[in-house]
Amino acid sequence: ETGVTQSPTHLIKTRGQQVTLRCSSQSGHNTVSWYQQALGQGPQFIFQYYREEENGRGNFPPRFSGLQFPNYSSELNVNALELDDSALYLCASSFPLAGGVNEQFFGPGTRLTVL
Amino acid sequence: AQSVTQLGSHVSVSEGALVLLRCNYSSSVPPYLFWYVQYPNQGLQLLLKYTTGATLVKGINGFEAEFKKSETSFHLTKPSAHMSDAAEYFCAVSPNTGGFKTIFGAGTRLFVKA
Repeated sequence: ETGVTQSPTHLIKTRGQQVTLRCSSQSGHNTVSWYQQALGQGPQFIFQYYREEENGRGNFPPRFSGLQFPNYSSELNVNALELDDSALYLCASSFPLAGGVNEQFFGPGTRLTVL
Repeated sequence: AQSVTQLGSHVSVSEGALVLLRCNYSSSVPPYLFWYVQYPNQGLQLLLKYTTGATLVKGINGFEAEFKKSETSFHLTKPSAHMSDAAEYFCAVSPNTGGFKTIFGAGTRLFVKA
């Protein structure tokens, strides 16, 4: 069973640029959530995708957008990068169980630095 | 609305000593509660979770946590710290009503002294 993978591992961009981060979910998982973890802070929920549709969103502006593909892999796109977007971006996959807890499995993250 | 407060951004213990990491939550609905560990340059790994039933939850690596509804707490403990326990620990809450948004605390960094 393959775990959650993310690419790239590290990325350096400049202000105003656009970036795409990628996530492959764990086998059998149809739900992907994205989190932003700034240095010294806990992860902040960006949004979640379930069966290719956005299924919930945190307090992030529209320049943060995403996609989920038929194989349940996902992309996080950030436009017009700002310095404060520098963070570790975590992807987590899960398979929601009726009446059960949503256990998420996290990838290693992509470290984005905006200069 | 839900929130999580972790008391103490840094905790230092000696090897072999008790580990106690504190977490208080706020939730308008019965919560699911989680503890995650994060090692440097890695993602989060689930240590344990509370859903329903027994309030004392045992997890991996000898950790356990007790859900105390009256105190809205979910503190993480381990009887004897190992050097390998040095990491960042996050408490998290999500609603048990079917929503999947998970709220994380700010984290507690655990240092283990030899």
